[in-house]
Order: sequence, then structure tokens, then C-alpha cells
Amino acid sequence: GQQLNQSPQSMFIQEGEDVSMNCTSSSIFNTWLWYKQDPGEGPVLLIALYKAGELTSNGRLTAQFGITRKDSFLNISASIPSDVGIYFCAGQPTTPLVFGKGTRLSVIA
Amino acid sequence: NAGVTQTPKFQVLKTGQSMTLQCAQDMNHEYMSWYRQDPGMGLRLIHYSVGAGITDQGEVPNGYNVSRSTTEDFPLRLLSAAPSQTSVYFCASSTRPLGDEQFFGPGTRLTVL
Repeated sequence: GQQLNQSPQSMFIQEGEDVSMNCTSSSIFNTWLWYKQDPGEGPVLLIALYKAGELTSNGRLTAQFGITRKDSFLNISASIPSDVGIYFCAGQPTTPLVFGKGTRLSVIA
Repeated sequence: NAGVTQTPKFQVLKTGQSMTLQCAQDMNHEYMSWYRQDPGMGLRLIHYSVGAGITDQGEVPNGYNVSRSTTEDFPLRLLSAAPSQTSVYFCASSTRPLGDEQFFGPGTRLTVL
């Protein structure tokens, strides 16, 4: 089946630092999504991308749909303690949705 | 709206026991799905449904059954639990066919001894 390579697997950063993570696929995707999962909760959608080259922001979060349609990036600026959690990318070649393995973010105050 | 609800929150089973994980949504979503989450493995699709009476297999369907008799409910059945089914299970629903804006429930943490 389809696979997404999400990196890094984990990150430890200082409060106030910027964060970058990405996902790549071997096949073309029509949709890229970024979710965040807080401890003990289900994932919550952060940003949805629908067109190659699209750049979308949600507060301190910015995500981009790669030009090749095979990758996507998520940036978090000026991290704060509540950014802690697991971030998942998800893509849709056709159906159903395929998830990456997640990036676990830890923020040191 | 309650969104997507799941019961129970936690469950411990012995090998060979059967049980049903409940999932309900009150958003009138046509599309519902079940995922399992294991450490380092992300979210893997077990079964999904594009509407009442219609279900299909996902990436890891073995050992699980589903049915969709109503739009609101999508229960997941484990017929004979195995230790390999120890996981956190998430139910999700969406308006579009397994695409964006999937709304997830809070999860069921299952341990099989």
C-alpha cells in the first residue's frame, strides 16, 4: 500500500524556537493534511492543502503542498509549551487517507 | 453536538475473548472509519464505511468485523482477541469520502493479555 515518510521521528526544542517537519511520498497526492494529537486524545486537523504549491497558515503554523505533489512541509514558529504532541501528515492519493508515522515534539521551557 | 464518541475508554481482555468497541457520531457524516495506533506505526486503517449498509476493508482488517446499520453508529467487533490487537483504537467520521477534515473520537485503549 501507499507509504508516507515523515521526518523527523522526534524533536526536542527550546521554547521560542521554530520547528520544521516534512512528509514525502513515492506517489502523487491530491490532498495533504496535517494533524496534531495531544496526549490521550484523538488527532485534530490543523491545516488542509488541496493544490500543488499551496501555502497555508493557521496562526503560528504554516504548511505547504509541494510542487511535485509528492511532499509537504509543516513549520511552527516561536514554539510554546502547548505545542507538545505528535504531529501527523496525511495524504490522499485517491481513497482512503494514508497517515505518516508521526513526529513527536517536545518543548523545553 | 457531541461529535464522535467512543466507548469504552479503556478495556482489558483475555486472549480469545470477544468484544465490541462502540463508535457514534451526531454530525450526520456519511463516512466513518476505524484506525489503530501503535507506537512508531502511526494510524493504520482497519475498516471504513461510505454510508449505511456499506463497509470495506482497510490496511489491517484481519481479526476485526464491522457493520453500519445506521448513519450514526459504526461498531468494531473483535471476534477472538489476540495480544497483537493490543492498541489504541480511534474512530473517525467525515463528510467527504475518507478525505479531509476527518473528526476523530477520543480513542479506546485496549489491552489483550
